[in-house]
Amino acid sequence: TQLLEQSPQFLSIQEGENLTVYCNSSSVFSSLQWYRQEPGEGPVLLVTVVTGGEVKKLKRLTFQFGDARKDSSLHITAAQPGDTGLYLCAGALTGTASKLTFGTGTRLQVTL
Amino acid sequence: DTGVSQDPRHKITKRGQNVTFRCDPISEHNRLYWYRQTLGQGPEFLTYFQNEAQLEKSRLLSDRFSAERPKGSFSTLEIQRTEQGDSAMYLCATGTRDLTQYFGPGTRLTVL
Repeated sequence: TQLLEQSPQFLSIQEGENLTVYCNSSSVFSSLQWYRQEPGEGPVLLVTVVTGGEVKKLKRLTFQFGDARKDSSLHITAAQPGDTGLYLCAGALTGTASKLTFGTGTRLQVTL
Repeated sequence: DTGVSQDPRHKITKRGQNVTFRCDPISEHNRLYWYRQTLGQGPEFLTYFQNEAQLEKSRLLSDRFSAERPKGSFSTLEIQRTEQGDSAMYLCATGTRDLTQYFGPGTRLTVL
């Protein structure tokens, strides 16, 4: 059973389109992180959210942590080819101040 | 570049051989994590160190796997008697008390 479910699994869009990736769980997380990973490389941290209802913006990326700290979303405005990659959400379960539990990943391809 | 380095980046070995990977963390980070990532999946937690103490091990870490962090700085992950199922990307991440983790570029292991 996957603790963190991401949707969609794959997304192919054209440059300039908007998109939203969802990360859902039945568990409560003390913090949640979003990473982007390119082939053959390690995940690169995009953002950490810790407070229920928190919204963070990073240029064209908007991250939201659900009020109950069980879910999160990543919204990209006006996608660019450079946004192409694997997007991973990862959470630290409440009471486990150590490991991250990763989502299943969303593979995004942005074409011209 | 997150400041976390891993060596080697790629390792090809024959089944039954032993392999060892090294991770050099960001210097002020006292927490160090090892994860394994197979194709198409998100990383899975293997083990966690706080300074030199190994505080948590996943059930994924069979008896053939051992990790050390002798001086609380760099860490090694050894796999004995490798099997084809061990083929994966092995990722090291480091962090501090705020739970954000920074990943290295990974070591891609291929067991023939």
